Amino acid sequence: DIVMTQSPLSLPVTPGEPASISCRATQSLLHSNGHHFFDWYLQKPGQSPQLLIYWGSNRASGVPDRFSGSGSGTDFTLKISRVEAEDVGVYYCMQALQTPYTFGQGTKLEIK
Amino acid sequence: EVQLVESGGDLVQPGGSLRLSCAASGYSFNNYWMHWVRQAPGKGLVWVSRLNEDGTITSYADSVKGRFTISRDNAKNTLYLQMNSLRAEDTAVYYCARDVGGVGSLWGQGTLVTVSS
Repeated sequence: DIVMTQSPLSLPVTPGEPASISCRATQSLLHSNGHHFFDWYLQKPGQSPQLLIYWGSNRASGVPDRFSGSGSGTDFTLKISRVEAEDVGVYYCMQALQTPYTFGQGTKLEIK
Repeated sequence: EVQLVESGGDLVQPGGSLRLSCAASGYSFNNYWMHWVRQAPGKGLVWVSRLNEDGTITSYADSVKGRFTISRDNAKNTLYLQMNSLRAEDTAVYYCARDVGGVGSLWGQGTLVTVSS
């Protein structure tokens, strides 16, 4: 199985400041079609997960442009340019290159 | 409105069975792969199973293989998860999700399964 490792696991951020989360996979997530099968999800308190970024760097519909995804191969990063109060929750990375799909441990973002 | 609504979660004894349902609406259900993902209380997300558009291709996590069966009824726009030989470690919120890993990923609100005597 592909293991996904996130860091940090806890991320206190002051509103208006940037934030960054990293995720590393134990093997390349590059598919033969040229896409990285790698997503970022946000699970807000009491809610189900919502897709933020798909294929490594594409924002899902309705996601604010302060969120951006980058990376390739095994290393990926989610950046929030200016954190807002509504961004609190747990962020998960996930690989969908092969089954079983696997998630990172989750990064809990909280407002200072 | 595009949505997924799970049902069927309940308290069940170890060794028991349960069938979860997921009703899809607002989109062409038969055009998408469907998945089940679970989350134990206070824990992270764990992928459980997936099923292709016409119900002919399935995949399962090792932890549920041989005990759980995913299926769908495209005429009823409904996804199912038949869970047999339930264990305490199967206790979780079970999410139905569309197109996990794709552009159109969409998740339901989840249904709680508790396995306890």
